[in-house]
Amino acid sequence: GAVVSQHPSWVICKSGTSVKIECRSLDFQATTMFWYRQFPKQSLMLMATSNEGSKATYEQGVEKDKFLINHASLTLSTLTVTSAHPEDSSFYICSAGDREQYFGPGTRLTVT
Amino acid sequence: GESVGLHLPTLSVQEGDNSIINCAYSNSASDYFIWYKQESGKGPQFIIDIRSNMDKRQGQRVTVLLNKTVKHLSLQIAATQPGDSAVYFCARAGGGSQGNLIFGKGTKLSVKP
Repeated sequence: GAVVSQHPSWVICKSGTSVKIECRSLDFQATTMFWYRQFPKQSLMLMATSNEGSKATYEQGVEKDKFLINHASLTLSTLTVTSAHPEDSSFYICSAGDREQYFGPGTRLTVT
Repeated sequence: GESVGLHLPTLSVQEGDNSIINCAYSNSASDYFIWYKQESGKGPQFIIDIRSNMDKRQGQRVTVLLNKTVKHLSLQIAATQPGDSAVYFCARAGGGSQGNLIFGKGTKLSVKP
């Protein structure tokens, strides 16, 4: 139980385009989901907290207009990277859970 | 400010030996700590957790020790196996929930056969 999936697992896009990443809790419901970003050989950094039915809470330094988060249901949160640039290339990881957090497998984004 | 950091960036051990990975934290209000294992290209995998009212917790082949006096956390892996090779992160969650985790820098564990 407690499986979290992400789609896609990897994506390559051109600079200036937008990319949507999905995070799904497969066998449980989660009011809260979290989005992290991880650069190579670095730790996970929390980007935002996604709350079902309300606006996401962004960490300091994370542009809410660039990283759009939608948590439309108790099993799905999406992160859209708008007008992507090469510096947005990273490993994006979500987690879900109202008490214990369960992590997804991550999405590798490469912006060319 | 609060931070969670690791003493050693890399650790190499022989298969069968015990591994010890250390972590220091600065926020004395920290009340819940978690160790995660992350294999290359994958998301973090929960290993073991401990609350601040405990100083030791054991799992299968793993033990977490918490020393609140010196704000130090360690993960001990017994009889380390090649499959244990990964990056290990300690993380802190406060406020009685697991949300808003703050991760340490990570230690890369390499197990030599």
